Amino acid sequence: GQNIDQPTEMTATEGAIVQINCTYQTSGFNGLFWYQQHAGEAPTFLSYNVLDGLEEKGRFSSFLSRSKGYSYLLLKELQMKDSASYLCAPMDSNYQLIWGAGTKLIIKP
Amino acid sequence: GAVVSQHPSWVICKSGTSVKIECRSLDFQATTMFWYRQFPKQSLMLMATSNEGSKATYEQGVEKDKFLINHASLTLSTLTVTSAHPEDSSFYICSARDASGTSGRATGETQYFGPGTRLLVL
Repeated sequence: GQNIDQPTEMTATEGAIVQINCTYQTSGFNGLFWYQQHAGEAPTFLSYNVLDGLEEKGRFSSFLSRSKGYSYLLLKELQMKDSASYLCAPMDSNYQLIWGAGTKLIIKP
Repeated sequence: GAVVSQHPSWVICKSGTSVKIECRSLDFQATTMFWYRQFPKQSLMLMATSNEGSKATYEQGVEKDKFLINHASLTLSTLTVTSAHPEDSSFYICSARDASGTSGRATGETQYFGPGTRLLVL
């Protein structure tokens, strides 16, 4: 079956760094997406990885290891507005995104 | 680029009425659009995949006669919830995929989401 595993909730301090891990199992693989979803809002696209390695985009970086079925999202210089849920969504062989419940990130001053 | 709009953002209706939700890609052509439903504190649930000019593909357990989807152009898809009941109250979100690359984004597989529609059926 298809499965995504992310921590349910994480807490971090403003200005710090946090890493949100994601392991996945899919039928085929066509890349992995990270989305941010603020409470009561729709998801917004953060990153896409299809090859192994680290993709850096400003304060956010995303890493992928296809052989391990593993990805992480790294958030630096945390700001209060980063409080949101972060969704790891791998794409299967049918180009279908597989969604888990995401990780709720709480930023404290 | 890659902006998706959704209308209306809020709907309150009586049980038994039908509600139409529009999803538009504003600055790119969306050959494929997706309709999701999300209940509070739960993950996104894909309801159906809509390809321009063809019938939508519904996920298991989603009634196609209740949730009518039309994707008549490359920039517009509509979801009609027919004879809505209180259990249909949810957050409905569409997304669009720019497979043709007209938005200028790096990958054609990225789904861009509309802001969502909150439906409350009384």
